Amino acid sequence: QSVLTQPPSVSGAPGQRVTISCNGTSSSIGAGYDVHWYKKSPGKAPKLLIYVTTNRPSGVPDRFSASKSGTSASLAITGLQAEDEGDYFCQSYDSKFFWVFGGGTKLTVL
Amino acid sequence: EEQVEESGGDVVQRGGSLRLSCAASGFDFSIYSMNWVRQVPGKGLEWVAYISDSASTIYYAESVKGRFTISRDNTESSVFLQMKSLRAEDAAVYHCARGATNGWYGGYYMDVWGKGTPVIVSS
Repeated sequence: QSVLTQPPSVSGAPGQRVTISCNGTSSSIGAGYDVHWYKKSPGKAPKLLIYVTTNRPSGVPDRFSASKSGTSASLAITGLQAEDEGDYFCQSYDSKFFWVFGGGTKLTVL
Repeated sequence: EEQVEESGGDVVQRGGSLRLSCAASGFDFSIYSMNWVRQVPGKGLEWVAYISDSASTIYYAESVKGRFTISRDNTESSVFLQMKSLRAEDAAVYHCARGATNGWYGGYYMDVWGKGTPVIVSS
């Protein structure tokens, strides 16, 4: 069972907007620790999408954005494209467990 | 290109040992902290171990503490994970990941990842 909770799956049609939530606790996100997001495709290395809650590495399109409030964070993807399909993971720090990840959310583009 | 590549994954009997390696290239390995993160197929990612750039600071997840040992060789740009007393629940794909931070552990993330190496634990 992951420390951070994500919905198992989300879906959307091409061009639509989807959001993926990441629920933490008072010892993780709620303690003010930053949230980071990764995409994982089968057989590929995880890819950093968002770091320090809202920042995109070079090469990540601005269709990807993220926010944090209280004990939760969310990733938003606008203008959904087929290539966005994959598994998305949030990550933060927990004062009890060090670095923690969410269970992952499978994004399906309909 | 900055990259890391894992190796050493294998089928090992329950209670056995295995040593994973991760070779880095394309960046100055000696100034970065490194991590091992694992993923059971179909499940989430789990952070396993951290080692600072000089190896002076090491942390482990509770699930592997006392059984796994992380180490590094900056002259070879490599990080290792020695695994002992392997259990069924240790079966996973093990990823090597470079660490980055905005200044504190609470802002620490992983910015370069490898594809992983599979560890299968047989009974």
